[in-house]
Amino acid sequence: DSGVTQTPKHLITATGQRVTLRCSPRSGDLSVYWYQQSLDQGLQFLIQYYNGEERAKGNILERFSAQQFPDLHSELNLSSLELGDSALYFCASTSGGALENEQFFGPGTRLTVL
Amino acid sequence: AQSVAQPEDQVNVAEGNPLTVKCTYSVSGNPYLFWYVQYPNRGLQFLLKYITGDNLVKGSYGFEAEFNKSQTSFHLKKPSALVSDSALYFCAVRDSSASKIIFGSGTRLSIRP
Repeated sequence: DSGVTQTPKHLITATGQRVTLRCSPRSGDLSVYWYQQSLDQGLQFLIQYYNGEERAKGNILERFSAQQFPDLHSELNLSSLELGDSALYFCASTSGGALENEQFFGPGTRLTVL
Repeated sequence: AQSVAQPEDQVNVAEGNPLTVKCTYSVSGNPYLFWYVQYPNRGLQFLLKYITGDNLVKGSYGFEAEFNKSQTSFHLKKPSALVSDSALYFCAVRDSSASKIIFGSGTRLSIRP
């Protein structure tokens, strides 16, 4: 168990809808990362937050947004969902924002868009 | 721009034999290199990393990796494979001058009894 929790485990929704994925980092970790894992795209970095502030942005679509709250949990919002958004979404946390820190991954949320 | 390549989609090894999972990278600054493993229906788990220092890095579960600057490689190795090592392995790189981490496409390691 990495200490990172994600809810829900599974999410099934329809095209055009909006969903929110939640992540709680390990106790004491300030950085949260979001990733999308799909069969054709592999593991794609979406966005990083450090202590409430956006730190780095990857291949995140404009339909997607994220935030990190004062208690350090983070939410990833996906809107106007398309079939291609079906994927596993992982969050990971590290103790600081340093580039050399290893990341601890949550179990993921499997999103299915029908 | 930074990139990382795992040239093999799948590696098959007999139990007890040595294994190698290949990774090559491209960065403009100094590389920070990582290996992660993903078991079915689980998140990624950290195995080992190279930041600086000794080119041979030892990690979890008996794995090690060798940083080769001239060949821009960071291959994952284990002297004697176990069936329980069967999983998906990801190499990742961070450029010291960039803020993003890039993951390779993953290599599925299959160890036959």
